[in-house]
Amino acid sequence: DAGVTQSPTHLIKTRGQQVTLRCSPKSGHDTVSWYQQALGQGPQFIFQYYEEEERQRGNFPDRFSGHQFPNYSSELNVNALLLGDSALYLCASSLFNDGVSDTQYFGPGTRLTVL
Amino acid sequence: AQRVTQPEKLLSVFKGAPVELKCNYSYSGSPELFWYVQYSRQRLQLLLRHISRESIKGFTADLNKGETSFHLKKPFAQEEDSAMYYCAFRLTTDSWGKLQFGAGTQVVVTP
Repeated sequence: DAGVTQSPTHLIKTRGQQVTLRCSPKSGHDTVSWYQQALGQGPQFIFQYYEEEERQRGNFPDRFSGHQFPNYSSELNVNALLLGDSALYLCASSLFNDGVSDTQYFGPGTRLTVL
Repeated sequence: AQRVTQPEKLLSVFKGAPVELKCNYSYSGSPELFWYVQYSRQRLQLLLRHISRESIKGFTADLNKGETSFHLKKPFAQEEDSAMYYCAFRLTTDSWGKLQFGAGTQVVVTP
């Protein structure tokens, strides 16, 4: 099991553009969470998907949107990119079991640079 | 609002010396606390969680509800312990398990 995988590894975009990041969860997991990690900061929760629906959202603008597919993989979309969106974007997967989301396992991240 | 604080950005210790990473949280209820570690060029991985009460790689952490702390300790630091450590918090009332992270502490173990 490769664990949580993310693509691409690195991405460079310019202000105003749109970007899509992808995540495949660990085998057996059904829940995907996305986090933004700015330089020198801890990860900040963006949102979480389960059964193809957004279940919880952090304090991020509507420019950040996502999707979960029937195979549990997920995408994070960011529109109208700002310089401040430059960060490492982490995907984490977990299993929702007995009404609770269990331990989150993280992917290697996608490094987004906005010029 | 709930918050996790790691007061030390950088902790430099000698090999064989004890190491303690501080983590404080602000929440009036019962939280679930975690320590995650990120070694150089590796992904963020779970080190330990307070409900497991286990020792991983010689590290232990005790939840002190009175002091709202979850400090990470190891009696004898090894060079391979050099890494970035993040304390994280989730509400036990949150079934979706959103994690809130501290800013992290960089640990450097010198020989």
